[in-house]
Amino acid sequence: DTGVSQDPRHKITKRGQNVTFRCDPISEHNRLYWYRQTLGQGPEFLTYFQNEAQLEKSRLLSDRFSAERPKGSFSTLEIQRTEQGDSAMYLCASSLDSGDEQFFGPGTRLTVL
Amino acid sequence: GENVEQHPSTLSVQEGDSAVIKCTYSDSASNYFPWYKQELGKGPQLIIDIRSNVGEKKDQRIAVTLNKTAKHFSLHITETQPEDSAVYFCAETRYGGSQGNLIFGKGTKLSVKP
Repeated sequence: DTGVSQDPRHKITKRGQNVTFRCDPISEHNRLYWYRQTLGQGPEFLTYFQNEAQLEKSRLLSDRFSAERPKGSFSTLEIQRTEQGDSAMYLCASSLDSGDEQFFGPGTRLTVL
Repeated sequence: GENVEQHPSTLSVQEGDSAVIKCTYSDSASNYFPWYKQELGKGPQLIIDIRSNVGEKKDQRIAVTLNKTAKHFSLHITETQPEDSAVYFCAETRYGGSQGNLIFGKGTKLSVKP
C-alpha cells in the first residue's frame, strides 16, 4: 500500500501523559499536513511542512504540541501534558507539492481519560 | 475570517436518486475546491476537485460546479448507490506562495436507502 500511513491507529492515555504520533506520507511527497478532527466536525488545520521545514502553524497548535519532520520524510506530532480536550482524530495528509491534491491517512484516534 | 458553510448537514435519498450538497466560502482569493468522502473510522478520501479556472468538472456519477461570482460550489451525485452512504466534506484553499491548508465545511451525512 503506497498511501499515507499513520501509527498508532488508536491511543488511550491518561490526562497529563505525553503522546507521540507518526505519519508516513506518500513517497516523494514534499508537503505534509497535520489536521485535527473532532466528532461531527470537519478537519481543522494544525501545521504543515515543506520538506523538513515547518512553514505554518495554526493558533490551535498550543505550546503543548510540537511537530517535526527531521529528514523530510516521516513526521511526528507530540502532545505533552494531555488534556481531555485533546481527544480527537489526528489526521495526516501529504501532497506532491504546493497546489497539488492532499491525500489523507487513516488517522490516529486519541482518547484522553 | 475564512469559513466554509456546508448544507445540508444530513441528506437521505432513495437508491437511484440524485444528491446535491452545497458549500459557500468567504475568501474571494480561494482557487482550489476539493470534495472528500469519509467513511466511519477512516480518513477523508478525495473524490473530486475543481480549480477556479473552470466552472464544472465531471467524473462518472460525480460532478462539481463552481460559481466564483457567488462564491459557492456544489457536489452532484447521480444514480446513488448504498455504498455512497458516508459523510461528505467540501473544502477550499488558496494555493500560491506558502499557503495550502484546507478549510473544511462541517460535513453532510448522506444516507442512501436501498
